[in-house]
Amino acid sequence: EADIYQTPRYLVIGTGKKITLECSQTMGHDKMYWYQQDPGMELHLIHYSYGVNSTEKGDLSSESTVSRIRTEHFPLTLESARPSHTSQYLCASSGSAPNTGELFFGEGSRLTVL
Amino acid sequence: AQRVTQPEKLLSVFKGAPVELKCNYSYSGSPELFWYVQYSRQRLQLLLRHISRESIKGFTADLNKGETSFHLKKPFAQEEDSAMYYCALRTGANNLFFGTGTRLTVIP
Repeated sequence: EADIYQTPRYLVIGTGKKITLECSQTMGHDKMYWYQQDPGMELHLIHYSYGVNSTEKGDLSSESTVSRIRTEHFPLTLESARPSHTSQYLCASSGSAPNTGELFFGEGSRLTVL
Repeated sequence: AQRVTQPEKLLSVFKGAPVELKCNYSYSGSPELFWYVQYSRQRLQLLLRHISRESIKGFTADLNKGETSFHLKKPFAQEEDSAMYYCALRTGANNLFFGTGTRLTVIP
């Protein structure tokens, strides 16, 4: 079934640890996105990719990095997690043609850094 | 710079009453506006887009360029409408900018 998957759903780790949030989609979409959302705040775009080997930073500066080696996979990495990285991270994807602007979201990864 | 403003964080209405969720935007180009909804324990999903001029689950939204608004309306609220609603603006760069969201509670 076509879907977008995020793992882990919940993660609690200590300061200084390296973490990778996984995002995979089986929808055949070429565009993928990472949004960060703090409680009661806007969703902020932190990274996006329009295709393999193409990644761009979003409107919110983030210490995280992303890669797009395969069309269906768009992992987000924090080399050294800090409490300020505690947040919800949402992955999304969208198709190109026709480009309706609709984003399809995963269930999210809630990260807590102690 | 582009911005989306949803002035109400919380909105409660009684079942059967009209509901209006406000959204204002600022953008110098030609805007595309969307409403996304997140029901309890579900993912964020598209509710409607202004280009389609459609009514989804009884909700409509009209783009008012003069007032730079895209308010979401429904004449008779239902309990199943209780959810978090986000207004979003797509710019020419094809990225979506979201507001802070409004949590709608429909009281039985």
